[in-house]
This record gives sequence, C-alpha cells and structure tokens, in this order.
Amino acid sequence: DIQMTQSPSSLSASVGDRVTITCRASQSISSYLNWYQQKPGKAPKLLIYAASSLQSGVPSRFSGSGSGTDFTLTISSLQPEDFATYYCQQSYSTPGTFGPGTKVDIK
Amino acid sequence: EVQLVESGGGLVQPGGSLRLSCAASGFTFSSYDMHWVRQATGKGLEWVSAIGTAGDTYYPGSVKGRFTISRENAKNSLYLQMNSLRAGDTAVYYCARVHAGSWLSYDYWGQGTLVTVSS
Repeated sequence: DIQMTQSPSSLSASVGDRVTITCRASQSISSYLNWYQQKPGKAPKLLIYAASSLQSGVPSRFSGSGSGTDFTLTISSLQPEDFATYYCQQSYSTPGTFGPGTKVDIK
Repeated sequence: EVQLVESGGGLVQPGGSLRLSCAASGFTFSSYDMHWVRQATGKGLEWVSAIGTAGDTYYPGSVKGRFTISRENAKNSLYLQMNSLRAGDTAVYYCARVHAGSWLSYDYWGQGTLVTVSS
C-alpha cells in the first residue's frame, strides 16, 4: 500500500494568514492526489482533486500543487470557517490511502 | 440536491454481524461507483469497500472475507454486510459517491453511522 504523510500534524494560525500544508507519498502517484476538509462531527468535504483542480463550490483561496511524491495545499487568506482538519488522499491505486491529517486551529 | 443517508449502526458484540444501509437521492445512483470509508474516533480515514456500476466489488485485506458490499439500484441503496466483527472495526462508517472519472475520489459523503464493537 502507498503510505501518505502530512506535515505539520497541527498548526495555529490567525484569520488572514497564508497557510501551507504538505503531503508526501511513499512512491510516485503522478497527480492522483486529493485534499479534504473535515470539521468536528461532520463528513469530509472534497476541496481539491487531481492535485490542483478546485472542486465545484470551493472558494478560490484554496489551491493545490505538486506531482510525483510531494504536494501542497495552500489557503491564501485563512477565514474563520477554515479551522478544521485537512487530509490528503492518494487516488493512484487501491486502497486509496489517506494521510494522518493536519489540524488547523486558531492562534 | 445530492444526499446520502446512512443507517444501521449500533452496538454489537465481538464476532457479531451488522448491516449498514445508505439511501441515495438527488442523482442517478446506478451511474455511480460507490464506496464505504470508516473513521475510528479521533483517528484518520480508512477505505473499507467499493462497488462499481456493474456490481464489481473491492476490499482491503483488513475486511476481505468478513465484509460484503452490495447495491440495489431500484431502491437507490448501498449496503455493507459486516460479519465476524472485531473491536478494531469500531468506527463511524461513511458511504461516499465516487467523483466522476476518479475511482478513489469522493465528492459526496453521508453523515456517517457509528458502529461500536464491544462486549
């Protein structure tokens, strides 16, 4: 199975900050990388698919980049509703393994 | 509006069985691959099973032989039959619709149903 890691595991930020989360795959996954946002008690929500494509309805302050093994999720200006846990997931091969998550909370 | 609503979770003893259901609405259910994904409390996400539009099924090693995914297109419903349950199967179980064109990407999720395996 492909292993996914994320860094940092948590971060504290203020409204308006630029936030960057990284994700690394244990082998090349081309651009088969998704990002999800999950709030407490809620289901995950797809933000970015195919590494850099913005899912319909997701604000443009979210962006994704990378290919191969290294990927980045960037929130250009953090908003109050963005405090959540973010997961990356590889969709290159079954099982579609997820990263352990990055919790973004209020500084 | 796309909706996925899970049901059937609850408390079950180790070795027991449970059947989860997922009622879909707002889209042509028969045209989409569907998956189950679980999340233990405070933990990450784990893929549990998948079913294609043709009824082909897939499982990870951790549940293969114990879990069975199925679908009933006439009822817009997805199911997960779970047998020989273990404490490690305790989690919230989500049904998820596959994002068009990407087998392992999910654009809609249900609210989840909690399965607790304990004596």
